[in-house]
Amino acid sequence: AQSVAQPEDQVNVAEGNPLTVKCTYSVSGNPYLFWYVQYPNRGLQFLLKYITGDNLVKGSYGFEAEFNKSQTSFHLKKPSALVSDSALYFCAVSDSMGRRALTFGSGTRLQVQP
Amino acid sequence: EADIYQTPRYLVIGTGKKITLECSQTMGHDKMYWYQQDPGMELHLIHYSYGVNSTEKGDLSSESTVSRIRTEHFPLTLESARPSHTSQYLCASSEKGAANTEAFFGQGTRLTVV
Repeated sequence: AQSVAQPEDQVNVAEGNPLTVKCTYSVSGNPYLFWYVQYPNRGLQFLLKYITGDNLVKGSYGFEAEFNKSQTSFHLKKPSALVSDSALYFCAVSDSMGRRALTFGSGTRLQVQP
Repeated sequence: EADIYQTPRYLVIGTGKKITLECSQTMGHDKMYWYQQDPGMELHLIHYSYGVNSTEKGDLSSESTVSRIRTEHFPLTLESARPSHTSQYLCASSEKGAANTEAFFGQGTRLTVV
């Protein structure tokens, strides 16, 4: 079975500071990893994904994520946070065979203070 | 902006009523999904489909049913709504045969059963 853990319910960061939202995963075989963002009363929006290749993946709105196979992690990062980045962030995983739908983590609320 | 639409956006109904939540996508995606999400909480997969006439139950027993008669349409039906069904329902779709493609989400339907 595949699973995702987001150990922090909430992350607080000051505007302009770097941010990290943590994610670890468990899956059979090679993982496909995704980050989504959700604003209030909206669906999820895709941010970025890791499939293969370079461990540092760049995505929308200046976000990037680092894949670490030995630590089974896929942390989301941004060098300089904006107040408008405040939202709910979800990490998701699927196995390379695509046998199941995406499995999502429990979500991390990011709060960026002015 | 993804071409996946959910109606209605908001719905308040009485206990015992039968309701159908609509989801349509114009991207020609074979895979479609329904997730249930309490506000600000994690997503739970309740149904998915890999194509026409293919449906599977997800991880959460939601007492709902789905059908997939056409590629673009994946409605979710509650035969007898209960207050415990109060939640947000998110529909998503992705390409078939490629586990590395991201899912696109609709805006969601916020259901309240009174």
